[in-house]
Amino acid sequence: DQQVKQNSPSLSVQEGRISILNCDYTNSMFDYFLWYKKYPAEGPTFLISISSIKDKNEDGRFTVFLNKSAKHLSLHIVPSQPGDSAVYFCAASARSGSGAGSYQLTFGKGTKLSVIP
Amino acid sequence: DAGVTQSPTHLIKTRGQQVTLRCSPKSGHDTVSWYQQALGQGPQFIFQYYEEEERQRGNFPDRFSGHQFPNYSSELNVNALLLGDSALYLCASSLFWGGSPLHFGNGTRLTVT
Repeated sequence: DQQVKQNSPSLSVQEGRISILNCDYTNSMFDYFLWYKKYPAEGPTFLISISSIKDKNEDGRFTVFLNKSAKHLSLHIVPSQPGDSAVYFCAASARSGSGAGSYQLTFGKGTKLSVIP
Repeated sequence: DAGVTQSPTHLIKTRGQQVTLRCSPKSGHDTVSWYQQALGQGPQFIFQYYEEEERQRGNFPDRFSGHQFPNYSSELNVNALLLGDSALYLCASSLFWGGSPLHFGNGTRLTVT
């Protein structure tokens, strides 16, 4: 039972255009969402996060949108650059554990983004 | 500022053997989590250590065990290896009370033959 789903295994976008990566979740207890980027032979790198009390969070070229009623989040990258080519993982957690840092992440399967020069 | 370091980078083992993977957290972090990433899948949570105790555990059998040392470094042990244990094992560190995102190492690629 996949609680975090990334239904697009791959996405190709022209350099300079917008990249939109989508993620759906089923567990209504999830209240903290993150996007990680992964290059081959490297570990995932944190990109941006959003708490369930917000519906949007921006950091430079990256914006994450959260639609709680639809249990859907998306990552927008504008403008896309060739260096953005990587696998993007959506992750979620229920942070109501014993401590603020004691959360475990549930990951999607990832979306491979290719930005074409 | 050193990030999360894992050793070894690659490992080949035979079914039935035991393996130990090691992790040093990012400087200043006190919590270590381990994840398994099978081919074509997202990372899956194994367990988390804080103050040398296992705090949370994912859906993994008892063959998977761990340890955290006073210097916050950690080991992941897998006994009685199965072919299905072949995966990338990722270590992540964070601050327990800081609410910080997880910082991942580059992983150990384990192949079981």
